[in-house]
Amino acid sequence: QKEVEQNSGPLSVPEGAIASLNCTYSDRGSQSFFWYRQYSGKSPELIMSIYSNGDKEDGRFTAQLNKASQYVSLLIRDSQPSDSATYLCAAYTGGGNKLTFGTGTQLKVEL
Amino acid sequence: ETGVTQSPTHLIKTRGQQVTLRCSSQSGHNTVSWYQQALGQGPQFIFQYYREEENGRGNFPPRFSGLQFPNYSSELNVNALELDDSALYLCASSPATSGRETQYFGPGTRLLVL
Repeated sequence: QKEVEQNSGPLSVPEGAIASLNCTYSDRGSQSFFWYRQYSGKSPELIMSIYSNGDKEDGRFTAQLNKASQYVSLLIRDSQPSDSATYLCAAYTGGGNKLTFGTGTQLKVEL
Repeated sequence: ETGVTQSPTHLIKTRGQQVTLRCSSQSGHNTVSWYQQALGQGPQFIFQYYREEENGRGNFPPRFSGLQFPNYSSELNVNALELDDSALYLCASSPATSGRETQYFGPGTRLLVL
């Protein structure tokens, strides 16, 4: 079982719709979770961090964390073509300083 | 822009050669982590340096080594290059190493091994 798992996609949504990206993790000790966006040929850039159960909103982005279910999600409201990218879920695992990434979900926002 | 810089941006080497990649951390950050990202995969943790000492290592062989300098800049050295070492190499800096900090990535170095 991978430590952080994501559906590789591609996930296609029409412009203006809500995109829902999901991630599960296996290390129950993980406390810190991150969503990064990566455009093709570029490096990852931080979208959101979340540490507590519940929702965290920042503009069009909402991160959701459920530690009991070991599940993290990212919602993107009013999706724009510029949101088309690969979204990486990451968590600190192993009780230390190792940031473990999923394989990423490719999002395509269609006109 | 994160303030993290890497050099060079691209590099082509042949199998068996050695390579050194460089990273300059964001101002005020004393921790740097290195990652390898193969095509279509997420970044894989190579190791982390904190205050010039190795502070954790992923599943990479000893031919992957690193250094961190007093100004917190860092190097990744790879010896005896193999074809599978072709990847995007990313460094990320953070202000500490408690296992909660956001890591900020540099633009990466794309290495091709022929």
